[in-house]
Amino acid sequence: SQQGEEDPQALSIQEGENATMNCSYKTSINNLQWYRQNSGRGLVHLILIRSNEREKHSGRLRVTLDTSKKSSSLLITASRAADTASYFCATAALLQGAQKLVFGQGTRLTINP
Amino acid sequence: KAGVTQTPRYLIKTRGQQVTLSCSPISGHRSVSWYQQTPGQGLQFLFEYFSETQRNKGNFPGRFSGRQFSNSRSEMNVSTLELGDSALYLCASSLISSGVGPDTQYFGPGTRLTVL
Repeated sequence: SQQGEEDPQALSIQEGENATMNCSYKTSINNLQWYRQNSGRGLVHLILIRSNEREKHSGRLRVTLDTSKKSSSLLITASRAADTASYFCATAALLQGAQKLVFGQGTRLTINP
Repeated sequence: KAGVTQTPRYLIKTRGQQVTLSCSPISGHRSVSWYQQTPGQGLQFLFEYFSETQRNKGNFPGRFSGRQFSNSRSEMNVSTLELGDSALYLCASSLISSGVGPDTQYFGPGTRLTVL
């Protein structure tokens, strides 16, 4: 199964509301990264949080990391229509003897005007 | 700085053919990784190259191969194409490959491969 699993798979909210996406993983990690992908295009890096950090902010984005629960959350405040996209968490970990970045299945976020 | 570029952007091939995709990383980036994205399997890691050497490899058959040149540009090749190889192939470059965990990946727009 996936190293990183996201919840929910899809989220639809009204513009201006906050959106929260969660990511759970199985093994110890070096860092956890969040990416955004607009339909059928490349991924854009949002935030990287290291295993010894608990929270990071970037503009309207807030990421938390709880290594004891092996989980992370991405909060987007005051959502805008342009935030409509798929959001992926990616865990950087030692797997099968090599450092790898493993992506979750993503959360599809729709912001309704 | 120019971003990661991938060529071609779209490609249509038939079963049994082979294909070569190209990726030019951000200037100064020495690590290049390739991913396959499909609706069913999501984003899957193919391989990573650093300084012309393959450092990591995902769980793909030997039909998938790659290489990196001295200028860090990378190519991936898929031989004997199958219908299931239809996907968006993404290339990503990174400034370092520190060995303590993959750093921020900068993705290209992808090559959409359709196998008929």
